[in-house]
Formats: sequence, structure tokens, C-alpha cells
Amino acid sequence: EIVLTQSPGTLSLSPGDRATLSCRASQSLSSTYLAWYQQKFGQAPRLLIYGTSSRATGIPDRFSGSGSGTDFTLTISRLEPEDFAVYYCHQYGRSPFTFGPGTKVDIK
Amino acid sequence: QVQLQGSGPGLVKPSETLSLTCAVSGYSISSGFHWGWIRQSPGKGLEWIGNVYHTGTSPYYNPSFESRVTISGDTSKNQFSLKLTSVTAADTAIYYCARWGSGWSFETWGQGTLVTVSS
Repeated sequence: EIVLTQSPGTLSLSPGDRATLSCRASQSLSSTYLAWYQQKFGQAPRLLIYGTSSRATGIPDRFSGSGSGTDFTLTISRLEPEDFAVYYCHQYGRSPFTFGPGTKVDIK
Repeated sequence: QVQLQGSGPGLVKPSETLSLTCAVSGYSISSGFHWGWIRQSPGKGLEWIGNVYHTGTSPYYNPSFESRVTISGDTSKNQFSLKLTSVTAADTAIYYCARWGSGWSFETWGQGTLVTVSS
């Protein structure tokens, strides 16, 4: 099973700041099969990024993804008030599909 | 657009079977994609349980659940279902149904169903 580790656990930032979230895999992944989700309290996760760097439909371009091998990054260029949430990375290239434990982005 | 609506009992007794259904609207499940279940609990986070093909057959499961889980699809009713046997308190979670594509993974999710295992 591929274990995903996310850091930091919590990121305290202000609106307008840049957020950099990290996801590390226990084994090398094909970049085709790495996704990022955003989850707000009481809601289902929402797909932001798939294939490491492709934005899902309707996702603003302040969200970007990068990485390869075992290290992947989600960047939010300028935080908007609605971006404060929990973010999960997810690999779907090898069964069982797995999710990271999440990074909470909260308001400083 | 496609919408997924999960339903089922919110309370299940230990050792019994958890049964949930996901009704799909705005898209015919037989047209494509795979259809899956994911759960979320404070202790274990997000866990993929398994998927079923658009034909409603050929399920594939997370080995952690394989001995207890059945996922099937009913194309005539445009829905798919989850059965998890011999539940314990550790199976208490929010259960999500979702549409899965090989390029995008889980790209549309249902609202989630909270299932509590308790006597």
C-alpha cells in the first residue's frame, strides 16, 4: 500500500498569502495518478487537481499542482477567504487507492 | 449535471450488515466511469472501500475490506450499493459514494451518509 504523508499538519496564513502544501509518497508514483481535494466542514471533498497539475472543472487558476516521483506540491498563489479548508492528496494509480491525512489551512 | 445521493440506515448494531445505496441522477451509470465508496472517520481519515464498473459488475476492493464488502450496481435503477458485514464500532464513519474516472479519480461525490455502529 502506498502511504501518503502531508506536511505541515496545519498552516496558519492570512488572506492574500501564498500557501504551499506538501505530499510525500512512500513509493514513486506516476504523476498521472496524483490528485488534490479540498474539504470544508460538513461537506464532501471537492476535486481540485488531478494528474498532478491539471485543474478540475471550475477550479480557479490560483490553485496549481506540481511534482514527480515521491514529492508533490499544491500551491495556492493568493489565499481567498473561501480557501481556508482542509486539503488532501490522493493517489489512484495503484490499488488500494489511498489518501493523505490532510493539511488544514486556517486563518492566522 | 450528475448528482449522487446516498441513503441508508444511520444506525447499525455491532455484528450486523451495513447497507447503503447511492442513487445517480443526470447520468446513466451504464454509460461509463466506475462507481465507488469512500469512508471518512476521525481515526482513519479518508479510506477507499471499493469500486464497481459501469456495467454494475466486476467490483474491485481495498484488501482491508475485501472479506466483508460487496459493491454492486443496478443499471435498471441507476444506482449502486454497498454492503459491509460484521460491523464494529470501528466502522462508524461518514460514507461517501462517488464517480471515478481513471484520469480524474473521484470527481463527483455524494453528500455523505453518517453511519454509527452501536447497540
